[in-house]
Amino acid sequence: GAVVSQHPSWVICKSGTSVKIECRSLDFQATTMFWYRQFPKQSLMLMATSNEGSKATYEQGVEKDKFLINHASLTLSTLTVTSAHPEDSSFYICSAYLPGPGTETQYFGPGTRLLVL
Amino acid sequence: GQQVMQIPQYQHVQEGEDFTTYCNSSTTLSNIQWYKQRPGGHPVFLIQLVKSGEVKKQKRLTFQFGEAKKNSSLHITATQTTDVGTYFCAGSTSTGKLIFGQGTTLQVKP
Repeated sequence: GAVVSQHPSWVICKSGTSVKIECRSLDFQATTMFWYRQFPKQSLMLMATSNEGSKATYEQGVEKDKFLINHASLTLSTLTVTSAHPEDSSFYICSAYLPGPGTETQYFGPGTRLLVL
Repeated sequence: GQQVMQIPQYQHVQEGEDFTTYCNSSTTLSNIQWYKQRPGGHPVFLIQLVKSGEVKKQKRLTFQFGEAKKNSSLHITATQTTDVGTYFCAGSTSTGKLIFGQGTTLQVKP
């Protein structure tokens, strides 16, 4: 299957700093990538849809100025958590989208665990 | 908005017993996907069901997609300790978005 990488896998930062997370599709081009957040013992919640060459689309309740998304190429999307606070501590997971007629699939990265102190 | 409900939330079984988790969508889905997430890990793709009434098997795992493409189930026969984890269904919409169910966490007692 398709491979998606994320970097870093772990990050610990102080409150008020910004953290950038990279999501790369290694063996295919993805015009669309998705960013999810998962709190402990909860399901994945879609944060935003990242589209190459255009602005990201954010889900209701997600602050676009706090979670900056840039999809500069067909293989790379970045999520920047600006002025991080302890409540932003979570597991952030990206996925790269492969379209198809009814067979569309998302391939998930390994996730980034963020701890804000 | 669109929702995918998954039950049960938790299931504890004795090794060798069967296990089933169910998903129900509020709307018709383009397809449904199943993922397994081990503790501390990320969701790993298991399978995708596309056709109405489709049934697929992977060794001891049987996946079904309802006739109306609104519900699905995952059945594990004779569970093993390696089956431990959280199983998520995710409904795919026509826009490509995935709507995840709440997940069913399976514990298997040896």
